[in-house]
Amino acid sequence: IAGITQAPTSQILAAGRRMTLRCTQDMRHNAMYWYRQDLGLGLRLIHYSNTAGTTGKGEVPDGYSVSRANTDDFPLTLASAVPSQTSVYFCASSERGKAFFGQGTRLTVV
Amino acid sequence: DAKTTQPNSMESNEEEPVHLPCNHSTISGTDYIHWYRQLPSQGPEYVIHGLTSNVNNRMASLAIAEDRKSSTLILHRATLRDAAVYYCILSRGNEKLTFGTGTRLTIIP
Repeated sequence: IAGITQAPTSQILAAGRRMTLRCTQDMRHNAMYWYRQDLGLGLRLIHYSNTAGTTGKGEVPDGYSVSRANTDDFPLTLASAVPSQTSVYFCASSERGKAFFGQGTRLTVV
Repeated sequence: DAKTTQPNSMESNEEEPVHLPCNHSTISGTDYIHWYRQLPSQGPEYVIHGLTSNVNNRMASLAIAEDRKSSTLILHRATLRDAAVYYCILSRGNEKLTFGTGTRLTIIP
C-alpha cells in the first residue's frame, strides 16, 4: 500500500518560476492537506480540502494555490516562487481522526 | 483553537518507559487529543488519539487526566528508533491538525 505519494522528492527552483508539487493518495480519504515545515519548526497548514471539489485556506496560504479535481490528487502550485518559500512540504490525508503524511518535498528557491 | 503545552525536550534511557506530558487546559468537550511523532527526515506519523478514556495500541498508551486538562503519552519500553519529535494536538473529529513545536525525545543507549 503506497499511502501518500509526493513528487518530486526535492527540487531547486529559480525565483520567479512556477512549480507544482504533486500529491496522490490511494486510501480514498476525503480530507487532504498541505503543510510546510521550516528548519527547526513545527508544521504550518497552507491549504486543505475536505472533499473533492472543495478547498480552503490554512494558516499560511499566500503565494500558494491548490485544486482538488478528484479524491486522489491534491497538487500544490507556487505561481511565482520566492526564496521565503524554501521549505519542506508535506502532503497528508485523513480519515476518522487519523492523518497520514507523505515523505515530503524539499524545495529550495534560489 | 485550544492550545497545547509540551516540554521542548526530554531524554530517556533505552529500554525504559518514557512519559511525555502535554497540558491542554483550554480543551473543549469535543476536542480529541492526538499524538503524532516525526522521525528525522520523515513526515509525521500517527501514534494514538483519545477523547476521555485511556487508550492503548501497539505503539503506545495515552493516559488522559480526569478533567482532560492534561495527558501523557507513554512509551512502555523506549528503543533508539523512538527518538523523534512528539506532537500533542487537539482536534475535533476530522478537522485539520495544528502543530506546535512538540517535544524532542532523545534516547540514550
